Amino acid sequence: NAGVTQTPKFRVLKTGQSMTLLCAQDMNHEYMYWYRQDPGMGLRLIHYSVGEGTTAKGEVPDGYNVSRLKKQNFLLGLESAAPSQTSVYFCASRDRGLGELFFGEGSRLTVL
Amino acid sequence: ELKVEQNPLFLSMQEGKNYTIYCNYSTTSDRLYWYRQDPGKSLESLFVLLSNGAVKQEGRLMASLDTKARLSTLHITAAVHDLSATYFCAVVSKAAGNKLTFGGGTRVLVKP
Repeated sequence: NAGVTQTPKFRVLKTGQSMTLLCAQDMNHEYMYWYRQDPGMGLRLIHYSVGEGTTAKGEVPDGYNVSRLKKQNFLLGLESAAPSQTSVYFCASRDRGLGELFFGEGSRLTVL
Repeated sequence: ELKVEQNPLFLSMQEGKNYTIYCNYSTTSDRLYWYRQDPGKSLESLFVLLSNGAVKQEGRLMASLDTKARLSTLHITAAVHDLSATYFCAVVSKAAGNKLTFGGGTRVLVKP
């Protein structure tokens, strides 16, 4: 029972490089979310999805793109990484019912 | 736009005493979550509150929801050192497009 799995867990990038973070859930959840958390701060919503094939912008979407081609996967892409995107990224998922929210372990990204 | 505000931002507690964290939100809520986060870790689910008047308790923590006042409280009874962490509330609102928005967090430090 894996729950929500994020890969990679750590990554160091140079400014201008691109990368993709993968969030995979095995609970058949409809809703998936990507957040970033900066030191000493709360979680800010980047993008989210309410079902397969759908995506929507959150509070801080600039510089990120997402895709949800398969229900179990939610990908977060950085096309041209900037130092301001250095952060810890969390993925979460929930179903439509009682709606308990499950989080991944986080992905720590450093952009030099 | 859904806004979620927590206060206080920081709470220094004495062991054995009682304290309350407040979570206010700006639009109709469909559910409200409370989470705990230890430094360098992911978020741990504490409570999911679904309806007006909901009250849930686990150990020294009790959460309640007043949807009319758009207010949730997390009450800590007889604080102990193990409760030192950052506590977040988060709100889902269908009126806000099913976004899941977090409060800024309350950092709790319990001193002997």
